[in-house]
Amino acid sequence: DGGITQSPKYLFRKEGQNVTLSCEQNLNHDAMYWYRQDPGQGLRLIYYSQIVNDFQKGDIAEGYSVSREKKESFPLTVTSAQKNPTAFDLCASARELLQSNYGYTFGSGTRLTVV
Amino acid sequence: GENVEQHPSTLSVQEGDSAVIKCTYSDSASNYFPWYKQELGKGPQLIIDIRSNVGEKKDQRIAVTLNKTAKHFSLHITETQPEDSAVYFCAAYVRGGSNYKLTFGKGTLLTVNP
Repeated sequence: DGGITQSPKYLFRKEGQNVTLSCEQNLNHDAMYWYRQDPGQGLRLIYYSQIVNDFQKGDIAEGYSVSREKKESFPLTVTSAQKNPTAFDLCASARELLQSNYGYTFGSGTRLTVV
Repeated sequence: GENVEQHPSTLSVQEGDSAVIKCTYSDSASNYFPWYKQELGKGPQLIIDIRSNVGEKKDQRIAVTLNKTAKHFSLHITETQPEDSAVYFCAAYVRGGSNYKLTFGKGTLLTVNP
């Protein structure tokens, strides 16, 4: 079955440490996204990518970095500059960014906690 | 700016009653409106969507209505069951430069009491 896989499900980060969250999809989708979900804030866009080797900042990109070396993979690195103590980070993919007729498929999320 | 407003933020109903969640959007060019259900600790799952060329779509106990003139759309759940309890998000495609991207409402926590 095709789908989108995030790992790990839970991740603990020490202050000053960088960590990388994995996102892999086998849906042959062109576009991929990272969102952060905070209570009462809904889903806020961190970064997105419409093709390999290209990505754009979203609304809350500070403290994060991404890469898109392969179509299937869009890892997110959370740097020490990101001050949020806890976060639920969601990866998503879509068939084509430039089309406005397709919904996103989401992964199951990674709960990140600063210890 | 480009945004999607969703109301209410919390909704509590008795099992068997109906639940309605409403959203408004600002970009008149938006033409696709999905609804997602998110259970605790999981990612959002698409439950129903509607395109701008129709006014209503139904799938068993779930329906979505769209009023393009007023720029609002709603999710209707009939005969609610405890397993319908979750956070529901509406979304609309809005223009961001030369691209479209989904913009989400802030979510509605639906609680169905047995």
